[in-house]
Amino acid sequence: GENVEQHPSTLSVQEGDSAVIKCTYSDSASNYFPWYKQELGKGPQLIIDIRSNVGEKKDQRIAVTLNKTAKHFSLHITETQPEDSAVYFCAASFNGAGSYQLTFGKGTKLSVIP
Amino acid sequence: EPEVTQTPSHQVTQMGQEVILRCVPISNHLYFYWYRQILGQKVEFLVSFYNNEISEKSEIFDDQFSVERPDGSNFTLKIRSTKLEDSAMYFCASSVQGAERNYGYTFGSGTRLTVV
Repeated sequence: GENVEQHPSTLSVQEGDSAVIKCTYSDSASNYFPWYKQELGKGPQLIIDIRSNVGEKKDQRIAVTLNKTAKHFSLHITETQPEDSAVYFCAASFNGAGSYQLTFGKGTKLSVIP
Repeated sequence: EPEVTQTPSHQVTQMGQEVILRCVPISNHLYFYWYRQILGQKVEFLVSFYNNEISEKSEIFDDQFSVERPDGSNFTLKIRSTKLEDSAMYFCASSVQGAERNYGYTFGSGTRLTVV
């Protein structure tokens, strides 16, 4: 089955700096890679996703890059703000007929220091 | 914005008791899921449900677990005889699969199950 590794487990940045979180996956058949933000006491919230036919996607201060050959993908947050502080999870999935389960990484606790 | 609603938010139960966790998925979604997150660990897939039947399940989802969509709006997870190790946050999620190929999940806020 799929295995997703995520690094680092904790990350502290100064407000305004950039944050980068990296994930690798094992199953070359995986074709969908979402990122989730989880705030304390809440469920994971989708913040950005990328499919395997795209190398990069950007949404305002958030970007995701995908390297299919190396089987890794990264989340980039620029101009970080205190409200970006949360746990971020990467995930991978093979979106084929009848199969939509997500395999999550262990999460990165991001702290943005004002 | 549409939400996935889960009840209760917190449930405490005695070991060996049955519990039912309830979820109301987003109305036009077709796929429904349960995941769990043991404190401090990763979110783990339990089961997916489509067209009124289980489409996938993990090794965690053994005979003690069952899912049901009893009335076309609710989606429930039942644990027949709870164990201490069942203590976790349980998340319901739903997704739409249509011509636009939108795979994005929406998760609920979770039910924290504590088995004592």
